[in-house]
Amino acid sequence: LAKTTQPISMDSYEGQEVNITCSHNNIATNDYITWYQQFPSQGPRFIIQGYKTKVTNEVASLFIPADRKSSTLSLPRVSLSDTAVYYCLVGVDSGGGADGLTFGKGTHLIIQP
Amino acid sequence: GAGVSQSPRYKVAKRGQDVALRCDPISGHVSLFWYQQALGQGPEFLTYFQNEAQLDKSGLPSDRFFAERPEGSVSTLKIQRTQQEDSAVYLCASSSGGFYSPLHFGNGTRLTVT
Repeated sequence: LAKTTQPISMDSYEGQEVNITCSHNNIATNDYITWYQQFPSQGPRFIIQGYKTKVTNEVASLFIPADRKSSTLSLPRVSLSDTAVYYCLVGVDSGGGADGLTFGKGTHLIIQP
Repeated sequence: GAGVSQSPRYKVAKRGQDVALRCDPISGHVSLFWYQQALGQGPEFLTYFQNEAQLDKSGLPSDRFFAERPEGSVSTLKIQRTQQEDSAVYLCASSSGGFYSPLHFGNGTRLTVT
């Protein structure tokens, strides 16, 4: 089971780009990397998922180096509403079980005006 | 379309009471997960269903916790003889069950045991 390590908290300001890095040294060949966002009193929400190189959607980008031992979630031009906890997960949800669907403590991102 | 719905939103139970928490997953989703989230912590896996089969219950903290999904749709998490340490938010998530399919979470049930 691949374990992930993320910073406990980060601060930034509105309009800045924020990069949150997750370490996963024991990632397996079949593992994908998935990021979730959670606001207070809500369940986590899927942000982005990738396997290697770079993935971009309307919300964020995900950068994965060739060795896949880490990944970086990039949030462009953040706003106050991006203040949330961000979780990095590594694994496979194949219906064969819950392997890899382990949330750590996440990164508490605080955006200031 | 409707997302994952959980009820009740809040539940207060006296220690020793039994509680039942309900989860309505997204229609057609094969996989269903229950998580427990303590204040300030990330969600902790409790159990997993594929259709009506409970394939993994390794995260259930004790035999007081029981989950079912008899028709492969709605799921109920039951906690018997509640204890104060059971106080937490209980999250339900569903997915289409395919490889790497993302989880869709409900907003949880906040259980307070007094």
